[in-house]
Amino acid sequence: QKEVEQNSGPLSVPEGAIASLNCTYSDRVSQSFFWYRQYSGKSPELIMSIYSNGDKEDGRFTAQLNKASQYVSLLIRDSQPSDSATYLCASRSNDYKLSFGAGTTVTVRA
Amino acid sequence: NAGVTQTPKFQVLKTGQSMTLQCAQDMNHNSMYWYRQDPGMGLRLIYYSASEGTTDKGEVPNGYNVSRLNKREFSLRLESAAPSQTSVYFCASRDLYEQYFGPGTRLTVT
Repeated sequence: QKEVEQNSGPLSVPEGAIASLNCTYSDRVSQSFFWYRQYSGKSPELIMSIYSNGDKEDGRFTAQLNKASQYVSLLIRDSQPSDSATYLCASRSNDYKLSFGAGTTVTVRA
Repeated sequence: NAGVTQTPKFQVLKTGQSMTLQCAQDMNHNSMYWYRQDPGMGLRLIYYSASEGTTDKGEVPNGYNVSRLNKREFSLRLESAAPSQTSVYFCASRDLYEQYFGPGTRLTVT
């Protein structure tokens, strides 16, 4: 079993809707969690990090973490065509390594 | 400030050939990483270097070697390329909070 699992997608949402991305992780010692956005043919870029239980908002993005359920999510509000990309969930435990999920591809329909 | 740079951008090898992928960062980061990305698999860690002079295996190290030449440079070598090593390779470096990725090298082994 992969350490980090994401809902497989692809996810298609209309412009202006909310896109909801989910991620579960298996390593209970994971401390930090990240969401990366990757446009086709480009490298991943960090859009959100979250370290404690609860919600963290940054503009149109909200990350949610529930360590008891080993669950991380990302909500994209008012989705725009520029949000069309693959979103990678990652966890980091106490060492220097990140474990990535397989990614969820989001398409925002104009 | 170029961030993380990788060379080459594209490469085609024949089975059994060798080559070295180069990576450099100008952000004075201690930690550097090599990942491969295959369709539907997310990013998988090949090797990492927590600091100058140290290297450690990641999830998929077989068939690869690395050298942390100095604080700036971290190279990945394929001694005898195989078709299973066809992939996109990303180098990354890390500060306290975030990993920064290079633009990637698209490698095809025929």
